[in-house]
Amino acid sequence: NAGVTQTPKFRVLKTGQSMTLLCAQDMNHEYMYWYRQDPGMGLRLIHYSVGEGTTAKGEVPDGYNVSRLKKQNFLLGLESAAPSQTSVYFCASTPPGRPGAEAFFGQGTRLTVV
Amino acid sequence: AQTVTQSQPEMSVQEAETVTLSCTYDTSESDYYLFWYKQPPSRQMILVIRQEAYKQQNATENRFSVNFQKAAKSFSLKISDSQLGDAAMYFCAYRYMNRDDKIIFGKGTRLHILP
Repeated sequence: NAGVTQTPKFRVLKTGQSMTLLCAQDMNHEYMYWYRQDPGMGLRLIHYSVGEGTTAKGEVPDGYNVSRLKKQNFLLGLESAAPSQTSVYFCASTPPGRPGAEAFFGQGTRLTVV
Repeated sequence: AQTVTQSQPEMSVQEAETVTLSCTYDTSESDYYLFWYKQPPSRQMILVIRQEAYKQQNATENRFSVNFQKAAKSFSLKISDSQLGDAAMYFCAYRYMNRDDKIIFGKGTRLHILP
């Protein structure tokens, strides 16, 4: 049972380059989230999705885009990377109809923009 | 907008002692969930304990318990008999029960266990 898998685990980008982070879950969860974790800032919500084909902005959406074409996948895109986007990115998912359920997290992607 | 505040960036406790991590939150809703997650150096996020706002009884999970004060919007985590494996970053989180489906996290408290 893989749970939530993030690809890649590490990446170094040059300023202005683009990339896509992939999050895949095999638990048939309806809700998926992208967070960034920075020292002293905790986990900040970038975008989230409440179902296939839907996305919504979180606290810090600027500079990122997302897509949820398939229920099991949630993609996070950086169109033109900036050093301020250097961070550890986490994807999470939760089942539908159970707001008290545990959120399952991926192992994180460490992104460095130089 | 809902917010979650953890005012202690770092704390230390002697092994086998008890420590309390603080969390306050702001919401206008009455039905919601509160959580404590643990993030050890492996970066894996682990659910420690959860509390339903409409339940007055404080949640307990083995050595972990909470002090939930709904009127004060306070949700502290008490760790009894601290162990070296408890060393981690601890995040307090909030989720509204009925819609929106966002999970909002605090900035975290890094807990050190002194042998």
